[in-house]
Amino acid sequence: GAGVSQSPSNKVTEKGKDVELRCDPISGHTALYWYRQSLGQGLEFLIYFQGNSAPDKSGLPSDRFSAERTGGSVSTLTIQRTQQEDSAVYLCASSQQVSNQPQHFGDGTRLSIL
Amino acid sequence: GENVEQHPSTLSVQEGDSAVIKCTYSDSASNYFPWYKQELGKRPQLIIDIRSNVGEKKDQRIAVTLNKTAKHFSLHITETQPEDSAVYFCAASGASGTYKYIFGTGTRLKVLA
Repeated sequence: GAGVSQSPSNKVTEKGKDVELRCDPISGHTALYWYRQSLGQGLEFLIYFQGNSAPDKSGLPSDRFSAERTGGSVSTLTIQRTQQEDSAVYLCASSQQVSNQPQHFGDGTRLSIL
Repeated sequence: GENVEQHPSTLSVQEGDSAVIKCTYSDSASNYFPWYKQELGKRPQLIIDIRSNVGEKKDQRIAVTLNKTAKHFSLHITETQPEDSAVYFCAASGASGTYKYIFGTGTRLKVLA
């Protein structure tokens, strides 16, 4: 596709359940980033990938959060045992290279924990 | 680690006036500074960026200036239009060997017709 694609666009789940969020970056982009945006707030960095490796995962809030990337393309962000404070929009972005290139964002996944 | 402060948090201007948003970063190793516009419920969109080897960059009604000594950079929008109303985020990248963006807290710009 032409842009970064994220799925699902909306996810509602019960507290304690696990969720998986998917990101399809722009074809050929080697760098992929995950951010979290709470309502009316800024963008909080979670993790980024260079190829399939994650040089910086310092923004993951707890060990309930994990992410992987396979084939240098699709990435999955997994949240285990979800809590209400996990409710937010999770945004994915990709860039051609990792070194200070413009990042192109997807539309995000709006996650609501009941 | 890197920290980015952004001011003001809200800004209202009359249509046709100019708007200025300022950001300050903490890590002198940062070398890339993008600006994003986010309309309500939409994805952030890159509007302009600047690298540390340049002091100013302009694209039509939008310009960004960078002062490396003072570690601050600013977004200037001239001849504002109602469609400029949105939240604007600055970011800094390249500090301390990591290429993550550190975003400012955002500025809600309202252009009054």
